[in-house]
Amino acid sequence: EIVLTQSPGTLSLSPGERATLSCRASQSVSNNYLSWYQQKPGQAPRLLIYAASSRATGIPDRFSGSGSGTDFTLTISRLEPEDFAVYFCQQYGSSPLTFGGGTKVEIK
Amino acid sequence: EVQLVQSGAEVKKPGESLKISCKGSGYRFSSDWVGWVRQMPGKGLEWMGIIYPGDSDTRYSPSFQGQVTISADKSISTAYLQWSSLKASDTAMYYCAKHDSSWRIDDWGQGTLVTVSS
Repeated sequence: EIVLTQSPGTLSLSPGERATLSCRASQSVSNNYLSWYQQKPGQAPRLLIYAASSRATGIPDRFSGSGSGTDFTLTISRLEPEDFAVYFCQQYGSSPLTFGGGTKVEIK
Repeated sequence: EVQLVQSGAEVKKPGESLKISCKGSGYRFSSDWVGWVRQMPGKGLEWMGIIYPGDSDTRYSPSFQGQVTISADKSISTAYLQWSSLKASDTAMYYCAKHDSSWRIDDWGQGTLVTVSS
């Protein structure tokens, strides 16, 4: 099973700042099949990025994904008030699918 | 528009059985995988398993194998997650999720809260 480790656990930033979230895999993710999700309290997760760097439909271009193999990054170029949430990475390249523990982006 | 509509919240006692549902619409239900994801209170996401409604091919995460049963009825576009004997540790939000052919999750249900308490 691939273990995904997200860092940092919490990111305290101000609106307008840049957020950089990391996701490291215990082994190479096949086909770079890595997704990023945003989850707000009381809501289901929302797909932001798939296949490491492809934006899902309707996702603003301030969200971008990069990386390959075992190291992946989600970047939010300029934080908007609605971006403060928890972000999870997930690999779907091998079974069982696994999620990272999450990074909470909070208002500083 | 793809929609996954889950059954309502449940409150059960330890040892009871339970089956929750997830009805898909807006896409060809039998041609995409449907999976289940657990989120315990205040915790992260855990992938439980997946089913292909077209032929009922089912795969489980080792962590959940033998603990739950995933099934589907393609005639009514509905997937199910069931327990034969609930434990307090099964208390969680359960999401169904549509997976495409590469197993990417591209749509989520609204979640079903299951509370198990004596």
